[in-house]
Amino acid sequence: ETGVTQTPRHLVMGMTNKKSLKCEQHLGHNAMYWYKQSAKKPLELMFVYNFKEQTENNSVPSRFSPECPNSSHLFLHLHTLQPEDSALYLCASSQDRDYGYTFGSGTRLTVV
Amino acid sequence: GENVEQHPSTLSVQEGDSAVIKCTYSDSASNYFPWYKQELGKGPQLIIDIRSNVGEKKDQRIAVTLNKTAKHFSLHITETQPEDSAVYFCAANGETSYDKVIFGPGTSLSVIP
Repeated sequence: ETGVTQTPRHLVMGMTNKKSLKCEQHLGHNAMYWYKQSAKKPLELMFVYNFKEQTENNSVPSRFSPECPNSSHLFLHLHTLQPEDSALYLCASSQDRDYGYTFGSGTRLTVV
Repeated sequence: GENVEQHPSTLSVQEGDSAVIKCTYSDSASNYFPWYKQELGKGPQLIIDIRSNVGEKKDQRIAVTLNKTAKHFSLHITETQPEDSAVYFCAANGETSYDKVIFGPGTSLSVIP
């Protein structure tokens, strides 16, 4: 365990489903991130929260909706996804902007 | 915005040999350069980082060098072991994107026993 816990580890969903990914950290970090990792592509930043406030939305489609109720929890709400959204979704946290990230193990998402 | 390139994309070495992975970045304002190791089924793990005020940093068998003039930095792993086999990512921040780092595409390292 890295200190960042993601659930579920695996998720299969249809294109009309609604699901949520959960991320939790108890490291006392004040920034949390969602990344998308696809095969043969660099890690893509999706969202950044700093002290619960969203500071970055990297042109992510509206079918992905983040929520950060407090500095320890982060959600990614999914609805009407496309097959090309199938990927590993990674959550990370950091103490501050210029410090290393602690990643969770990710959620392997398959859209059918 | 920041762009990070990484070479090689795959690397095979014999156990005990050294491995070197090189990265270049585009934003001259970048001042933080972390390296991550990702094993199968896991998220990336920070293994070493360097800031722009130093040229080299070592941690046991791992070292990172930084050349700010040329805008490139490298990861050196000495006396490689099979457990070093993984995908390695370099990354860099940027003045205009201080809330995030940009990752390189990754290097798949295989250490052959």
